[in-house]
Amino acid sequence: DTEVTQTPKHLVMGMTNKKSLKCEQHMGHRAMYWYKQKAKKPPELMFVYSYEKLSINESVPSRFSPECPNSSLLNLHLHALQPEDSALYLCASSQQGKSETQYFGPGTRLLVL
Amino acid sequence: SQQGEEDPQALSIQEGENATMNCSYKTSINNLQWYRQNSGRGLVHLILIRSNEREKHSGRLRVTLDTSKKSSSLLITASRAADTASYFCATAAQGAQKLVFGQGTRLTINP
Repeated sequence: DTEVTQTPKHLVMGMTNKKSLKCEQHMGHRAMYWYKQKAKKPPELMFVYSYEKLSINESVPSRFSPECPNSSLLNLHLHALQPEDSALYLCASSQQGKSETQYFGPGTRLLVL
Repeated sequence: SQQGEEDPQALSIQEGENATMNCSYKTSINNLQWYRQNSGRGLVHLILIRSNEREKHSGRLRVTLDTSKKSSSLLITASRAADTASYFCATAAQGAQKLVFGQGTRLTINP
C-alpha cells in the first residue's frame, strides 16, 4: 500500500473557527510532512516529523499546530486563520526523512472566509 | 529559499512530440527528484537521480544530471494528453530532512 490519505478533501472555515486536517499512511514510514501550496506555486514545507518528533518547523505561525499521535497519523490543527491561509495543504511521508522519495496525499483544499 | 529554478515556466506542445524541461540548483546535492502534479492534486514521484549518476530512464522519461553545471533535465518522449501537468524538480542536500522544490514547469499537451 503506497497511499497517503488526507481528510477532508475540501474545507471552508471562518476566521474564528477551529478545524483539523488529518493525514494517514500505512507504509511504515517514519517521517511525515506538511506542505502548503498556493496556486501556480511549488509546495512550501511547513513541518517535518521524524520518528514522531517534530524536527523541522519552518517558522510557521502558531495558528497552525501540528500533531503526530503515532507513526501512521499526522494532524494539522487550525485556529484563527486568515484569508491568506487559503491554499492546498499537502501531507507527505518518507521512509526515514533523509532526502529520499516522498509520497504525497491528494491534499486538502482550504478556504478561509 | 527555493533552490531549484526551472525553465521554461510553461510549455505547450502537440501530442506525440517530445517535451524537455530544465532545472538548475545552487548548492551541493545528494539527489535530485522529479515530481508531477495534475491540477489541484497531490504530487507524484517520477524519478530520483543520485549525485553520482548522470542519466536515468523510466519508461518514456529520461533524466540527466550535470553536477558541474548544477542542472538537470527531464525529457518526456512521445507525449500524451495525460502528460498534461505541472512538473517540479526537488533537490535534497546530503542528510537533509527536506526537499527544496523548483518553481515548476506547466506542461500542456495539445491533441
